[in-house]
Amino acid sequence: DVVMTQSPLSLPVTLGQPASISCRSSQSLVYSDGNTYLNWFQQRPGQSPRRLIYQVSKRDSGVPDRFSGSRSGTDFTLKISRVEAEDVGVYYCMQGTHWPSTFGQGTKLEIK
Amino acid sequence: QVQLQQWGAGLLKPSETLSLTCAVYGGSFSAYYWSWIRLPPGKGLEWMGEINHLGSTNYHPSLKSRVTISVDTSNNQFSLKLSSVTAADTAVYYCARGRCTSASCRWDFDYWGQGTLVTVSS
Repeated sequence: DVVMTQSPLSLPVTLGQPASISCRSSQSLVYSDGNTYLNWFQQRPGQSPRRLIYQVSKRDSGVPDRFSGSRSGTDFTLKISRVEAEDVGVYYCMQGTHWPSTFGQGTKLEIK
Repeated sequence: QVQLQQWGAGLLKPSETLSLTCAVYGGSFSAYYWSWIRLPPGKGLEWMGEINHLGSTNYHPSLKSRVTISVDTSNNQFSLKLSSVTAADTAVYYCARGRCTSASCRWDFDYWGQGTLVTVSS
């Protein structure tokens, strides 16, 4: 299975400050169609996971533009330009390129 | 708008069989594979398996001997059964829309059910 390694696992952030979460895959996530199937999910307390970003950097409908995704080789990054109180929760990366699909361990974002 | 609504028993004893069902509202049921994913306490999300409207299934190798996913196309529902549960199967279980049915489609999980906490305890 492709291993997805996230860091940090805990991320205390001051309101209004930027935040960054890293995710490294154990192998390339570029599929034969040229796309890279790396998604980011947000799970707020008491809620189901919600997809924020798909194919590395495409934001889902309704996702604020303070969220962005990028890639460098097998390293992926989710950035929040200015953290707001509603961003508290656990963030997961997920690869959908290889079977079986696998998730990172999760990064818990909290407000300092 | 696609909505997934799931239900099932939340408290089981060791060796019993977990049973959950997920109903899909809106969108095209036949155009996708439908997945079950679980979140054990203190751990990450784990994809368990998937099914399409024709009943074609794929299971995670680590669970293959205990998992059965079935489909009821007349009601746009799919179900999960996990046999011989132990405390290690305690988790929140989610149903989710996985990938489209074309062979080239990859996993997405763009819509999720509300989750069901299943606790295994004697």
